[in-house]
Amino acid sequence: SQTIHQWPATLVQPVGSPLSLECTVEGTSNPNLYWYRQAAGRGLQLLFYSVGIGQISSEVPQNLSASRPQDRQFILSSKKLLLSDSGFYLCAWSVVWGRTTEAFFGQGTRLTVV
Amino acid sequence: KQEVTQIPAALSVPEGENLVLNCSFTDSAIYNLQWFRQDPGKGLTSLLLIQSSQREQTSGRLNASLDKSSGRSTLYIAASQPGDSATYLCAVRPYAGGTSYGKLTFGQGTILTVHP
Repeated sequence: SQTIHQWPATLVQPVGSPLSLECTVEGTSNPNLYWYRQAAGRGLQLLFYSVGIGQISSEVPQNLSASRPQDRQFILSSKKLLLSDSGFYLCAWSVVWGRTTEAFFGQGTRLTVV
Repeated sequence: KQEVTQIPAALSVPEGENLVLNCSFTDSAIYNLQWFRQDPGKGLTSLLLIQSSQREQTSGRLNASLDKSSGRSTLYIAASQPGDSATYLCAVRPYAGGTSYGKLTFGQGTILTVHP
């Protein structure tokens, strides 16, 4: 069965520090991978998606970047965190099977920038 | 631009009640619709997936319907239990020429509390 691992679960970082969140998927190959952010009182916002190794698309301009060094590894990074980067970050994967596609999510990382 | 709205924003019911959560979307050109559950501080758990060609899907006490032409979906929970307390999110996936990158658009969610 497929599983998705996301870490760390919680993170408190000072303003201006770097960030690296990692997500890995097991049990599937060539998944589409996504990073979402859920800010307090707001819905989920898609930040990045990737359809293959090294292929990253950004949905919104921001202080963050994403990379996909391996087929089932997706990394969210920042060189210098801002207060506004605080939020709940969720990694997700999907794969087309048959004539449909379904998304599955990790457990999330709570990031607090202080 | 697709917009997804969920009503009500919050719902508190006694245990045992049957309840309906509503989701509406502005662009009917969707590939499918997915209902999720989110417990506090946790990730999203997929509950039901409805293809654009389907009218409803059932899983246990959950039943989701889809009326694509009117841009509506409902999630019906039968015989609610305290363990059903969570935030319920609906999300639509756009139809894009037969392929989809899974770029879901989410509603704000309905916070459900079922009290004993």
